[in-house]
Amino acid sequence: GQNIDQPTEMTATEGAIVQINCTYQTSGFNGLFWYQQHAGEAPTFLSYNVLDGLEEKGRFSSFLSRSKGYSYLLLKELQMKDSASYLCAVLPPRGQGGKLIFGQGTELSVKP
Amino acid sequence: DARVTQTPRHKVTEMGQEVTMRCQPILGHNTVFWYRQTMMQGLELLAYFRNRAPLDDSGMPKDRFSAEMPDATLATLKIQPSEPRDSAVYFCASGLGVGSSYNEQFFGPGTRLTVL
Repeated sequence: GQNIDQPTEMTATEGAIVQINCTYQTSGFNGLFWYQQHAGEAPTFLSYNVLDGLEEKGRFSSFLSRSKGYSYLLLKELQMKDSASYLCAVLPPRGQGGKLIFGQGTELSVKP
Repeated sequence: DARVTQTPRHKVTEMGQEVTMRCQPILGHNTVFWYRQTMMQGLELLAYFRNRAPLDDSGMPKDRFSAEMPDATLATLKIQPSEPRDSAVYFCASGLGVGSSYNEQFFGPGTRLTVL
């Protein structure tokens, strides 16, 4: 079966660091995506991990441990505009057309 | 710049009416996905196509929903008859699918459907 778990909501303070966790149990794995979605808008791509380790991109970093079925998204120097939903999505093995399996999303609120 | 476009952006209709949503994928992308998003269920995959052929529509209620790709520049999602529980935001996304480096999906702005 396929199961992706994320916390439903988190709150953090402007300027701080926040870590959003994602655990997954899927039949096969070919990579993990993080998407950001602001209220009323479409999801937009943030990061992709297929190998273990940390990928850094500006204020955002994403980590993957395939043996643990675990990923996190790290947001540094939080800004008010980072208030959004963050979606973890797993890509099944090749041959399935690029179909992504999405978690329910974590609603992040950044407070002044 | 290349974007996925969707029409209409908003649709309000009455129960029992037919609804057709359209999507124009990014030129050159060979996979197209239809998602439905609600507060309760989150983002659900309804159907997806590769090279215009349907690969998986197991997430779609077959008795009332249908998805097609008449050509490479147009994907449609139709609901007939519509029901209040179909009220949701419907997203179309496109990507390079198999053969691309990491299968990133680009989402359209969505169609917000309200069925009264």
